[in-house]
Amino acid sequence: KAGVTQTPRYLIKTRGQQVTLSCSPISGHRSVSWYQQTPGQGLQFLFEYFSETQRNKGNFPGRFSGRQFSNSRSEMNVSTLELGDSALYLCASSLVILSSGGPFESDEQFFGPGTRLTVL
Amino acid sequence: AQSVTQPDIHITVSEGASLELRCNYSYGATPYLFWYVQSPGQGLQLLLKYFSGDTLVQGIKGFEAEFKRSQSSFNLRKPSVHWSDAAEYFCAVAGGYQKVTFGTGTKLQVIP
Repeated sequence: KAGVTQTPRYLIKTRGQQVTLSCSPISGHRSVSWYQQTPGQGLQFLFEYFSETQRNKGNFPGRFSGRQFSNSRSEMNVSTLELGDSALYLCASSLVILSSGGPFESDEQFFGPGTRLTVL
Repeated sequence: AQSVTQPDIHITVSEGASLELRCNYSYGATPYLFWYVQSPGQGLQLLLKYFSGDTLVQGIKGFEAEFKRSQSSFNLRKPSVHWSDAAEYFCAVAGGYQKVTFGTGTKLQVIP
């Protein structure tokens, strides 16, 4: 089974530009979460999507946004890039099953290799 | 709000020696706790997790962790470290579906 894939792996942008990162979850996984990893702030939760809806959001400005498509693939967008946005952006997917007996949410997140964004 | 503290930024151990990485958490209810490992240029891999039950949790690659509610700790241990264990280790706590708070990480160096 293929793992979580993220594209592109590396990206260089300049201040003021915008960027879109893509994440394809493991087949059958319906929850996708995004994290930002920097040497200074560590790993920080950005947001989580399930069934095309954002369920959780971290403490990031509105320049950071995301969406999820019907096939569970997700994109995150950062507008008006700042130097401080340089980071490794990680995507993680998790299994969520909805059934008549109630929702089952897996406790494990599977991470992709990340997209390294450099803002000049 | 939930939080995780990993007091050791960097640890060096000799190959074959035992290892303990410290983790303290803050969470109002029974926590979901995790340990992840990240090799350079890679994403995170789950080593083990604790939700409830037995407070000693076994994970992959010979790692284990013990949940101590009275100390709000979830320390990671390995009896004999291998050179391939050199990586960065993250403790994490989950509060709410998929909303995970990570510690700042501990970089492990293994010397021959």
